[in-house]
Amino acid sequence: QKEVEQDPGPLSVPEGAIVSLNCTYSNSAFQYFMWYRQYSRKGPELLMYTYSSGNKEDGRFTAQVDKSSKYISLFIRDSQPSDSATYLCAMIPQGGSEKLVFGKGTKLTVNP
Amino acid sequence: DSGVTQTPKHLITATGQRVTLRCSPRSGDLSVYWYQQSLDQGLQFLIQYYNGEERAKGNILERFSAQQFPDLHSELNLSSLELGDSALYFCASSVGRTGGGETQYFGPGTRLLVL
Repeated sequence: QKEVEQDPGPLSVPEGAIVSLNCTYSNSAFQYFMWYRQYSRKGPELLMYTYSSGNKEDGRFTAQVDKSSKYISLFIRDSQPSDSATYLCAMIPQGGSEKLVFGKGTKLTVNP
Repeated sequence: DSGVTQTPKHLITATGQRVTLRCSPRSGDLSVYWYQQSLDQGLQFLIQYYNGEERAKGNILERFSAQQFPDLHSELNLSSLELGDSALYFCASSVGRTGGGETQYFGPGTRLLVL
């Protein structure tokens, strides 16, 4: 079992839809949770960062962490064609290691 | 623009050859990380340097090595290249002072194709 599992999609939605992206993980030591967005042929860029459990909102984006279920989500409201990209969840355990452990990414297409 | 630069952008080489990838971190960042992205494995951590010293190792092959120089730029050396080494190689940097959970900023990557 991989440490972080993410449905690779692809996911195709109409413009304006609410998008839900999810990851599950097996290592209970993970404490820092991130979502990166990666456009085609570009480097990943940080979208959302959450420490431990809870919700975080930034504009049209909401990140949720449920540590009891080892499940994290990213919601995109009023999705736009410019949101078309691959979304990667990433995690770091508490203490010691600083390496990011990534999910394989979900490819999202928002159709105008 | 993350502030992390990588050169070259593209590299085409033959099996058995050796290449060097270069990364300059964001101004002020002391930690540099190298990641490999392939279609089947996704983004995998290779190695981390902090202020010139190796700090952590991931799934890095023995044919691969890295270093961080006094000016904090880093190089990833890949030798005896195989077809399976074809991938995107990313460098990331972080401040390196807070001891965990730091935001990592990624460069644009080097696309390596081994023929």
